[in-house]
Amino acid sequence: DTAVSQTPKYLVTQMGNDKSIKCEQNLGHDTMYWYKQDSKKFLKIMFSYNNKELIINETVPNRFSPKSPDKAHLNLHINSLELGDSAVYFCASSYRQGGATEAFFGQGTRLTVV
Amino acid sequence: EDQVTQSPEALRLQEGESSSLNCSYTVSGLRGLFWYRQDPGKGPEFLFTLYSAGEEKEKERLKATLTKKESFLHITAPKPEDSATYLCAVQGWGAQKLVFGQGTRLTINP
Repeated sequence: DTAVSQTPKYLVTQMGNDKSIKCEQNLGHDTMYWYKQDSKKFLKIMFSYNNKELIINETVPNRFSPKSPDKAHLNLHINSLELGDSAVYFCASSYRQGGATEAFFGQGTRLTVV
Repeated sequence: EDQVTQSPEALRLQEGESSSLNCSYTVSGLRGLFWYRQDPGKGPEFLFTLYSAGEEKEKERLKATLTKKESFLHITAPKPEDSATYLCAVQGWGAQKLVFGQGTRLTINP
């Protein structure tokens, strides 16, 4: 019973295409995130939603657009894909309130732009 | 800006050879420091949260400790299955996001 699940796991596409990645969590968390992991394994936050409201929007090209239809789902749509978008994208979820909020991650989507 | 630096970048040990991984951080008020394990082709797996200096947490062969400037992940008598990349992250007060270090790639040879 997967806690945070992403689809697809692999995505190979040509430059200029538009693609989407979907994420769902069944942990009952109220906050979801998109992180990007580059070739050097460095994880960096892109977006965060709390109860469908965007609360973090790091310096990300506006070709990337997150959408959260409800607090259990967070999708990432990418327009006009570029070679530099190739990376592993991770979805994560956590609780917002209270003390330090450890995040739980999905298995990742490896995006390759050719 | 919150920052995390991990060292060494890579560490190769023999089975049973204990060692420590370092995570140095700067943060404007620490809400929590996190350790994750990441296996190839998988997402980070949560290990520990540490909240304040002096705190320690253990899980099997792993023990995490925290000071005001750094955290250590001690690995005692490691086994080949402990091979993975270990990631450290911090969360500051008022911040929702985790800021990650670049990780330490640990290899345990049988």
